[in-house]
Amino acid sequence: DQQVKQNSPSLSVQEGRISILNCDYTNSMFDYFLWYKKYPAEGPTFLISISSIKDKNEDGRFTVFLNKSAKHLSLHIVPSQPGDSAVYFCAASARETSGSRLTFGEGTQLTVNP
Amino acid sequence: EAGVTQFPSHSVIEKGQTVTLRCDPISGHDNLYWYRRVMGKEIKFLLHFVKESKQDESGMPNNRFLAERTGGTYSTLKVQPAELEDSGVYFCASSQRRPGQGTYEQYFGPGTRLTVT
Repeated sequence: DQQVKQNSPSLSVQEGRISILNCDYTNSMFDYFLWYKKYPAEGPTFLISISSIKDKNEDGRFTVFLNKSAKHLSLHIVPSQPGDSAVYFCAASARETSGSRLTFGEGTQLTVNP
Repeated sequence: EAGVTQFPSHSVIEKGQTVTLRCDPISGHDNLYWYRRVMGKEIKFLLHFVKESKQDESGMPNNRFLAERTGGTYSTLKVQPAELEDSGVYFCASSQRRPGQGTYEQYFGPGTRLTVT
């Protein structure tokens, strides 16, 4: 039973345009969400997070949106750059019931074309 | 500040052998986690230490896996005996509780790629 789903295994965008990566979850106890970026042969790198009490968090070119009623979050990257090409993982935690462990999606491979 | 380090980066062993993976967390981080990614699928939680104590080991697949964190510093994950399905990338992560806010972002090491043949 996969509680965090990233239905798009890959996404390709042009440099300078917006990249939108999507994530859906099923566990209503999740109260904290994170996005990680992963380059080949490296570990995931923390990108941005959002608490369930918010619906938006912005950090430079990266913005995460949370729609609790739809159990959906998205990561917007604008403008996209070739160096953003990586696998992006959505992760969630249910701090009250499951502590701080993270539940990950399968990842989306983003390719930004020059 | 040094990040999370893991050793070895790669390990190839035969079925039935024993392998020990090591993780050194970021200095001062009380929380240490082990995760595993199998065949390019999602990254799955294995267990969580707070200092030297196992806080949550609900993700450990079976009793062939043994994790320790003596002294609350580095951790080891031993697989004995290894099976073919244990192949994958094993990640370690650490985090530090921020006063009044709980444990949030986890910082990952580069992983150990384990291949069991």
